[in-house]
Amino acid sequence: QVHLVQSGSELKKPGASVKVSCKAFGYTFSAYAMNWVRQAPGQGLEWMGWISTNTGNPTYAQGFTGRFVFSLDTSVNTAYLQIASLKAEDTATYFCARGEAGDALDFWGQGTMVTVSS
Amino acid sequence: QSALTQPASVSGSPGQSITISCTGTSSDVGGYNYVSWYQQYPGIAPKLIIYDVTNRPSGVSNRFSGSKSGNAASLTISGLQAEDEADYYCSSYRNSRTTPVIFGGGTKLTVL
Repeated sequence: QVHLVQSGSELKKPGASVKVSCKAFGYTFSAYAMNWVRQAPGQGLEWMGWISTNTGNPTYAQGFTGRFVFSLDTSVNTAYLQIASLKAEDTATYFCARGEAGDALDFWGQGTMVTVSS
Repeated sequence: QSALTQPASVSGSPGQSITISCTGTSSDVGGYNYVSWYQQYPGIAPKLIIYDVTNRPSGVSNRFSGSKSGNAASLTISGLQAEDEADYYCSSYRNSRTTPVIFGGGTKLTVL
């Protein structure tokens, strides 16, 4: 059974960094890309980008370049999202979701709430 | 990245049908049959309910259906039930090297 399990909530101070994990179960990890989606409190979904689980090549959406890094550890079927130099406006729930870029996101992690506050 | 346009809210009574629109451009919705719809309850991850404009994943009720005409896609929910009250988001592939996936702003469905 396919499921994606994300790491727990984080509370960080401005300027710090955070690394969110997304561990995949129940399918061949390298067969599907991993996407990251942001949802600010009370707001809609925003596609951040995706990473090829074959090549490790990331694609970042406009607005998510520079401070955001997608990475993989294929030995443990896990994708990571790292955000550097955190700002208050990074406060959001971050979801990982399986799917090739442009195609449907058929399985989602439960979400990781990141709160940035001094 | 400009989001696809959805109505902020729609409502309907149990048993009725409602339709949620999702308007884009010829570079996304109108140009490709890669429109998806997601259902999201508060505090829960989104769930895929329609993919490739009209297809339902296994296990999704046939009360949910999707369609497209020109640059606009639609999600129709027939036989409304209380459990359908949720937020609904459309998504489309977009002809953009940097942002090939775009979401709509979301629609809050209220079952009266």
